[in-house]
Amino acid sequence: AQSVSQHNHHVILSEAASLELGCNYSYGGTVNLFWYVQYPGQHLQLLLKYFSGDPLVKGIKGFEAEFIKSKFSFNLRKPSVQWSDTAEYFCAVNEGGGNQFYFGTGTSLTVIP
Amino acid sequence: EAGVAQSPRYKIIEKRQSVAFWCNPISGHATLYWYQQILGQGPKLLIQFQNNGVVDDSQLPKDRFSAERLKGVDSTLKIQPAKLEDSAVYLCASTRGGSTYNEQFFGPGTRLTVL
Repeated sequence: AQSVSQHNHHVILSEAASLELGCNYSYGGTVNLFWYVQYPGQHLQLLLKYFSGDPLVKGIKGFEAEFIKSKFSFNLRKPSVQWSDTAEYFCAVNEGGGNQFYFGTGTSLTVIP
Repeated sequence: EAGVAQSPRYKIIEKRQSVAFWCNPISGHATLYWYQQILGQGPKLLIQFQNNGVVDDSQLPKDRFSAERLKGVDSTLKIQPAKLEDSAVYLCASTRGGSTYNEQFFGPGTRLTVL
């Protein structure tokens, strides 16, 4: 089975700091990659996704992620975080064409004003 | 468009009792997923429906969990009897089709506490 690792369990940043959240997966074949965000009291929602093509993908609210196949990684970045980015972030992987979505354990981000 | 609806939002039961959760996906979405999210972990897929047929239930504990989607729209997930380790948030998600190139839309979840 696929495994998805998110190395940072809890991150605390000041506003305007840069963010990078790590995500690594274990499957060696074709993958579809996702980052989801869950704001306090809200539903899980999609931040961005990668299926193919340009490995640098841009999502909503200024987030981006880079797929590095050789490192089995899909790290999430944002150059300057805001207090409103405080949320739980989940990386998810789908083996290309399969039914299962595998989620990481999540990273809790707290942004201090 | 209306989002994925789930009810109840919260449920507290004692172990060995039964409980049922309901999900109404986004209109027109053929694929429906149930996930279990235990505190401190990511969502884990329990079962996936394509219309009213089961696509994947390999991680559903079938001795106590059951799910149905009789008319290809609403779905119910049941636990009978519940155990302490079933305490979790149960998430429902839907996508327009069976392809993995679709985006999953999640409901608010049902938080289950088993005492």
